[in-house]
Amino acid sequence: GIQVEQSPPDLILQEGANSTLRCNFSDSVNNLQWFHQNPWGQLINLFYIPSGTKQNGRLSATTVATERYSLLYISSSQTTDSGVYFCAVDGAGGTSYGKLTFGQGTILTVHP
Amino acid sequence: DTGVSQDPRHKITKRGQNVTFRCDPISEHNRLYWYRQTLGQGPEFLTYFQNEAQLEKSRLLSDRFSAERPKGSFSTLEIQRTEQGDSAMYLCASSRLSEQYFGPGTRLTVT
Repeated sequence: GIQVEQSPPDLILQEGANSTLRCNFSDSVNNLQWFHQNPWGQLINLFYIPSGTKQNGRLSATTVATERYSLLYISSSQTTDSGVYFCAVDGAGGTSYGKLTFGQGTILTVHP
Repeated sequence: DTGVSQDPRHKITKRGQNVTFRCDPISEHNRLYWYRQTLGQGPEFLTYFQNEAQLEKSRLLSDRFSAERPKGSFSTLEIQRTEQGDSAMYLCASSRLSEQYFGPGTRLTVT
């Protein structure tokens, strides 16, 4: 099956700093989503981005499908940005029925 | 659009007992997924429904696990004869097309 690798595994920032999270995947994808998991375990949708670039406030994401990676940018980080960020993909090969394969996540800690 | 809901949010059970979880998807979402997440890991796919048909099951879904979506709306996930290794967060997601939306999860603790 498709493999998803996220880096870095851990990231510690001071409030106001910018950061870039990376997601590499091993095969073509139909779907790529970025999520933020809050301390209660809820997965919050950040971006649906199988290709191209999107922006939402201080967050933006870029997926270069031909090179099999996606980047999540967080600018002017805030303490509320802390949590685990997951990249998840639905591989294009075979009959996947849209099931998502998740990376291991990046644990982001933002200090005041 | 009220979001995906799951019930209960927390469940503590003794080893060997049966448990059942419920998921209510976003209305008019015909696709429903179950995932399991253990500590420090990303969620892993368990099973998928399109309307009432269960179209895919992961090898993670042993014969002690069964899922249903009888009328193509809500779904239930039952675990029989629970084991300590079943302790995890069980997440439900729904979608109309590709983008999946997740519920708050049911955290299961087997003692």
